[in-house]
Amino acid sequence: AQSVTQLDSHVSVSEGTPVLLRCNYSSSYSPSLFWYVQHPNKGLQLLLKYTSAATLVKGINGFEAEFKKSETSFHLTKPSAHMSDAAEYFCVVDFGNEKLTFGTGTRLTIIP
Amino acid sequence: DTGVSQNPRHKITKRGQNVTFRCDPISEHNRLYWYRQTLGQGPEFLTYFQNEAQLEKSRLLSDRFSAERPKGSFSTLEIQRTEQGDSAMYLCASSPGVGVSNQPQHFGDGTRLSIL
Repeated sequence: AQSVTQLDSHVSVSEGTPVLLRCNYSSSYSPSLFWYVQHPNKGLQLLLKYTSAATLVKGINGFEAEFKKSETSFHLTKPSAHMSDAAEYFCVVDFGNEKLTFGTGTRLTIIP
Repeated sequence: DTGVSQNPRHKITKRGQNVTFRCDPISEHNRLYWYRQTLGQGPEFLTYFQNEAQLEKSRLLSDRFSAERPKGSFSTLEIQRTEQGDSAMYLCASSPGVGVSNQPQHFGDGTRLSIL
């Protein structure tokens, strides 16, 4: 079965410390993978995408993600958290059927 | 690129009433998608269009829901005889479509529907 799992519903980090948001997917082939961010009462903004080119993908606002086929993972990282990073983050998969499948989201809280 | 525009931003209505939302995609984007997001959940796919053709509908889209994209530009999503369970954020997205592989979907800010 094709699915996407975000392992943490809530992550809290102190400002200036690294961020790690975890995502695993289940698929019989390598799908397209995305991370989107959603601020309160706003739509979704694309952070980065993986589409079978380089396995380390750099996105906006200092975020990056690494595709690991052997682990079927696509974890999102940032070296140093900023207060403005507080938001809901979604790992999203395109299994090639024209509709995106979203994880349940990870709420990132930044502690001053 | 003015982005995906959705109207209204908020809609409050009484149970049983009909509501209609509008989505204007990014200019020249052939594909348009509708998603529904309930509180604390990720968005769920509802339907999508390639130009004016509606190519797929989710089982979430009951017969009270109808979506149109008559001229292949803007789209409307109508909900008839609204129910409490219809309360959600309705998100629209667009992408370039045919001939442009692996392009991400660009989302609007959504329409938040509240059923009294």
